[in-house]
Amino acid sequence: DTGVSQDPRHKITKRGQNVTFRCDPISEHNRLYWYRQTLGQGPEFLTYFQNEAQLEKSRLLSDRFSAERPKGSFSTLEIQRTEQGDSAMYLCASSTPPGQGGTGELFFGEGSRLTVL
Amino acid sequence: DQQVKQNSPSLSVQEGRISILNCDYTNSMFDYFLWYKKYPAEGPTFLISISSIKDKNEDGRFTVFLNKSAKHLSLHIVPSQPGDSAVYFCAASVGGSARQLTFGSGTQLTVLP
Repeated sequence: DTGVSQDPRHKITKRGQNVTFRCDPISEHNRLYWYRQTLGQGPEFLTYFQNEAQLEKSRLLSDRFSAERPKGSFSTLEIQRTEQGDSAMYLCASSTPPGQGGTGELFFGEGSRLTVL
Repeated sequence: DQQVKQNSPSLSVQEGRISILNCDYTNSMFDYFLWYKKYPAEGPTFLISISSIKDKNEDGRFTVFLNKSAKHLSLHIVPSQPGDSAVYFCAASVGGSARQLTFGSGTQLTVLP
């Protein structure tokens, strides 16, 4: 199966530590997205890449958050100096724009659950 | 300020009957709407979408209705099956594609056998 893959699936860390999540999109997809989902809420948009370029960032993405997609393939999301409020499910998604043969719909991975103690 | 609202956190329906999930939005710039389904421990899965130029889109047992004047959309599932039991998220975007989605808080659908 060549769906969106995220690693690790679960991460427990102490407040103040740094964490990094990795996302491997569907191989032919040039768009990659990060969303965050907290309990009882829908996913919230964080940022989006087209190839290696980070084109949009949400105001939710504070200075402690950084995302990269260095070669236009996999992406990493790093959270520095984690806080308890960062505890959430971090979802990655990928897509191909409608004008490039895709439907534009987002295909989500299973998510990386972060717990900050 | 929640721009996409799903006011029913849960819905129970008997197998074989119709399930109707509702969604309201406030941002008149939204022009593309989607429904995603989510099972526990999985990521959301795309179900069906509708552009603002349409008022209805059908795909098998799933139909989405859009009422732009009321800023309301609904998802109808007929007939409902136990495997449809999941959390359903309504989402919306600006610009006619699924690029940056604003999600509702979800409705837990339980289909009783």
